[in-house]
Amino acid sequence: DAKTTQPPSMDCAEGRAANLPCNHSTISGNEYVYWYRQIHSQGPQYIIHGLKNNETNEMASLIITEDRKSSTLILPHATLRDTAVYYCIVSEIKAAGNKLTFGGGTRVLVKP
Amino acid sequence: GAVVSQHPSRVICKSGTSVKIECRSLDFQATTMFWYRQFPKQSLMLMATSNEGSKATYEQGVEKDKFLINHASLTLSTLTVTSAHPEDSSFYICSASGNGYTFGSGTRLTVV
Repeated sequence: DAKTTQPPSMDCAEGRAANLPCNHSTISGNEYVYWYRQIHSQGPQYIIHGLKNNETNEMASLIITEDRKSSTLILPHATLRDTAVYYCIVSEIKAAGNKLTFGGGTRVLVKP
Repeated sequence: GAVVSQHPSRVICKSGTSVKIECRSLDFQATTMFWYRQFPKQSLMLMATSNEGSKATYEQGVEKDKFLINHASLTLSTLTVTSAHPEDSSFYICSASGNGYTFGSGTRLTVV
């Protein structure tokens, strides 16, 4: 079962920041928070991941609360091409590879 | 960046026939590969995990004799849907672990 809870959908305006919340209250100390997105009829695309520090890359920022029970993905300037389903996943990183279990995700619609 | 190639992207087959889907990691060695299935408007459901040179581990409820997985090398895993039926029509997605988790672009299977 997925260990995360996300709102099923949200709209945001083009050019504005999109803040996507995720609850993962049962996360364990060695589990990372991953964010992926899936544009219609494509495979999931990696966005960002983190353990406990906030992370930023060219796509997004990841803010993880101090207790690690929730996180927020921030798309700083949403474009129409950011319309997708966004998945928040928690998983350990192991040498042999640990499976990623997807929850329902958040369907984000960026409107002009 | 890491690239996973999945082929074919679309396939239509007759009921009762078998279909093979290939998943290749192009620029890294994948110690573990994962196969997912996704029905319309639903999330990705993990079907099985395969490690190079060993038998795949199937999730509960997935028929191993129907969905044959072969992971013969560190860059190639195949999923064969045997004796396909219309209810097997779905979007199948592979993922490779070796440089984070990278997903293929998916295969749309339609059984008629």
